[in-house]
Amino acid sequence: EPEVTQTPSHQVTQMGQEVILRCVPISNHLYFYWYRQILGQKVEFLVSFYNNEISEKSEIFDDQFSVERPDGSNFTLKIRSTKLEDSAMYFCASRRTSGVSSNEQFFGPGTRLTVL
Amino acid sequence: AQKVTQAQTEISVVEKEDVTLDCVYETRDTTYYLFWYKQPPSGELVFLIRRNSFDEQNEISGRYSWNFQKSTSSFNFTITASQVVDSAVYFCALSKETSGSRLTFGEGTQLTVNP
Repeated sequence: EPEVTQTPSHQVTQMGQEVILRCVPISNHLYFYWYRQILGQKVEFLVSFYNNEISEKSEIFDDQFSVERPDGSNFTLKIRSTKLEDSAMYFCASRRTSGVSSNEQFFGPGTRLTVL
Repeated sequence: AQKVTQAQTEISVVEKEDVTLDCVYETRDTTYYLFWYKQPPSGELVFLIRRNSFDEQNEISGRYSWNFQKSTSSFNFTITASQVVDSAVYFCALSKETSGSRLTFGEGTQLTVNP
């Protein structure tokens, strides 16, 4: 069964450094998402992406964040200058655009980001 | 704005007990989707169920059942004859019906099933 994959599984970085989190969505999906979960808290929406542009973003998704689909398979989240409070689990998700289960978002296993 | 409330932060039961996880939501939309996800200790998010706001039929899947009541804006989840492997954080979530809509998650309920 196809699945969303994310790399790396764990990333440790120094405050102020740039990080890129990578995701490979399911191949026939066209909507892509990033969510964040600070340890022990709920899952929060960051951004959605469709047709090579951001379709919606939350108030969390400020200028230090950016997303990109650099090729036909990867979907990346870049954090330009990491802060301690960016430490969290970052989940990528993808969704079909039509048909059965088209409203279901399939989540990747997550990347745990630790900012020191 | 959409909001999901899971008032139960933690629940602890003994194996084989039935347990119900509560979920109450707020939305101005007339059509929407409701979801339950399971997050085991390993951290991934596992999809359990999706329910369209038009469909108020209760659903049963093995030991899992869901009670959707639009009149009270609730979408409760019951595990029958709980098992240790059910121990996880369970999240209720809501989205608009429109394409690409974000999921709005509740705070989650930590379920611990003791042997």
